[in-house]
Amino acid sequence: QKEVEQNSGPLSVPEGAIASLNCTYSDRGSQSFFWYRQYSGKSPELIMSIYSNGDKEDGRFTAQLNKASQYVSLLIRDSQPSDSATYLCAVNVNGNQFYFGTGTSLTVIP
Amino acid sequence: EAGVAQSPRYKIIEKRQSVAFWCNPISGHATLYWYQQILGQGPKLLIQFQNNGVVDDSQLPKDRFSAERLKGVDSTLKIQPAKLEDSAVYLCASSLGGAGTQYFGPGTRLLVL
Repeated sequence: QKEVEQNSGPLSVPEGAIASLNCTYSDRGSQSFFWYRQYSGKSPELIMSIYSNGDKEDGRFTAQLNKASQYVSLLIRDSQPSDSATYLCAVNVNGNQFYFGTGTSLTVIP
Repeated sequence: EAGVAQSPRYKIIEKRQSVAFWCNPISGHATLYWYQQILGQGPKLLIQFQNNGVVDDSQLPKDRFSAERLKGVDSTLKIQPAKLEDSAVYLCASSLGGAGTQYFGPGTRLLVL
C-alpha cells in the first residue's frame, strides 16, 4: 500500500470553476501535510501546509484535513489557466519521513 | 534570500559510468533532502540530512548511490555505476527543521544511455 495516494487525473475544469484535488494517506502517525504545485519541467513549489483538522484558506486556495478519515484535499476557487500544473500531496510522518503522492494533473480550460 | 542551488542542471552519461550532483541549501537550513523524480511520478526521498548526520536513507540504493554532507552545509550525491533506470530528475530541498516546509532547487536532469 502506498503511503500517499492521489487521483492521477488528468482533471480538467473550465476557467472560473472550482478544482478539487484529493489525497489519502496510510500512516496515522502523519503529522504535517503539504500541497505543492509543479509546472512541467520545473521544481515543486509550496502552495499550502496544514497541520490540524479543518480548513485553511489562503487566497483562492483552501486546504482541508480530516485525520480521522486520513484525507486531505485542496480546493482552488476561480481556477485560472495559470493554475494548470501537477499538484503534489506530501505527508510528513513522525517528524522525519516525507512521502509524496504521484500527483494530479490539472488543466484549466479558458 | 538565495534559494537552493544545484549543479549541474543537465547530465548525460553512459550506463556504468559515475556521476555526482551538488547542492547548496538555503542559508541556515539545517535539514537537506535528496529526491529522485522519475517522469510521471512524484518525488521519492533518497536521503535526509539533519546538519551533517543522516536522518533517513531507507530508500537510498546503497549499492550504487552515496551521499555526504560533511560540513553540514552543501551536499553531494553520487551514483556509481549508473543504470538506465537512474534516468530521472534529482531534486535537492532544504528546510529549517525536519518537519517544516521544504524549498526545492531547480533539479539536475540525468539521462543514462
